[in-house]
Amino acid sequence: ETGVTQSPTHLIKTRGQQVTLRCSSQSGHNTVSWYQQALGQGPQFIFQYYREEENGRGNFPPRFSGLQFPNYSSELNVNALELDDSALYLCASSPDPNSPLHFGNGTRLTVT
Amino acid sequence: TQLLEQSPQFLSIQEGENLTVYCNSSSVFSSLQWYRQEPGEGPVLLVTVVTGGEVKKLKRLTFQFGDARKDSSLHITAAQPGDTGLYLCAGADTGTASKLTFGTGTRLQVTL
Repeated sequence: ETGVTQSPTHLIKTRGQQVTLRCSSQSGHNTVSWYQQALGQGPQFIFQYYREEENGRGNFPPRFSGLQFPNYSSELNVNALELDDSALYLCASSPDPNSPLHFGNGTRLTVT
Repeated sequence: TQLLEQSPQFLSIQEGENLTVYCNSSSVFSSLQWYRQEPGEGPVLLVTVVTGGEVKKLKRLTFQFGDARKDSSLHITAAQPGDTGLYLCAGADTGTASKLTFGTGTRLQVTL
């Protein structure tokens, strides 16, 4: 049973809209990482937060932003949605940046 | 940009057969992780290899890290239908075990 939960499980949005995806990490896990997994591909690193501060970012534009809260929850926000943003968004937590990840089951976002 | 290429992309075999999945890169990684992902779920960590030349076994699965820490392999002996899934390798740099570069994935189907 995973200790990382994500909501919603599925979401359909229209191009140009904004979306917020949520993640609840395991208690005690101070690090949360977000990944985008397009259909048929491996996950790509979006960014990581450690103790509520951004701690590294992948090759994603600024319209992808995040927040991490003291209660081990976090958000991924995407503005001005594009068709190519359609993907499975995975949240993963770990006790610290140098520990292995525990993934949630993801949010499937479809942009039409 | 670090890239990890996996081969083969797809593999369909019968129960009892052996198989090997390869993960190759031109970049050196401080560690390499292998995950299995089933439909509708997030990746689940199978193993982490750290030292060049390291071999780890997990029941019927054998993982090897290349001497130069640029490549890895996963060998499954006597595959079973429960081994079906998407196998992902992921490389990490020093001190960043949670900021991963994932491979392209190998989709394995094991039939009776």
